[in-house]
Amino acid sequence: NAGVTQTPKFRILKIGQSMTLQCTQDMNHNYMYWYRQDPGMGLKLIYYSVGAGITDKGEVPNGYNVSRSTTEDFPLRLELAAPSQTSVYFCASSSLTPYGYTFGSGTRLTVV
Amino acid sequence: AQSVSQHNHHVILSEAASLELGCNYSYGGTVNLFWYVQYPGQHLQLLLKYFSGDPLVKGIKGFEAEFIKSKFSFNLRKPSVQWSDTAEYFCAVYEAAGNKLTFGGGTRVLVKP
Repeated sequence: NAGVTQTPKFRILKIGQSMTLQCTQDMNHNYMYWYRQDPGMGLKLIYYSVGAGITDKGEVPNGYNVSRSTTEDFPLRLELAAPSQTSVYFCASSSLTPYGYTFGSGTRLTVV
Repeated sequence: AQSVSQHNHHVILSEAASLELGCNYSYGGTVNLFWYVQYPGQHLQLLLKYFSGDPLVKGIKGFEAEFIKSKFSFNLRKPSVQWSDTAEYFCAVYEAAGNKLTFGGGTRVLVKP
């Protein structure tokens, strides 16, 4: 089925460990986004990309890195995990307009 | 940048009660507004959207929202809720710069059977 695929669905990290959250879309969307969702805070934009090779910071980029080498993939990297990064992470993609905003199923990350 | 405020963090209702969730955004001009729903354990799904025209917008599952430009508001309503409407609801504003959405903090709705 077409859509946005995120892996893994769940992960527990120890403080200081690193990991990459994977996001792939097969809709040929130029725009891709990473959001984190914390209780009562809604979704905060971490990074976004307007096309392959182009990324930009969102509201809460500290502690994260992204790359966009292909249209399909937009991985999110945590270099030194901290408890403050415990959250649910959603990847999304869209076409040029907001009509095509599609979300992945999320990754629940716990840092202990 | 836009900011979005949702007034209620938690709402508890009985089935058949009416629901209204408030949403305000921070500044005017041309806006595109959205309501998303997140059912327990699932990802966000689009309920409805407003781009232009009739300020009363109808969405899926009997939801509607009213855009009031003078109040910078986009409130969500449903005349009679069901237990299956238990979910978290997010209001969002589209920002053309970067083609991205800014979300409110969400409102958790619990419908008691």
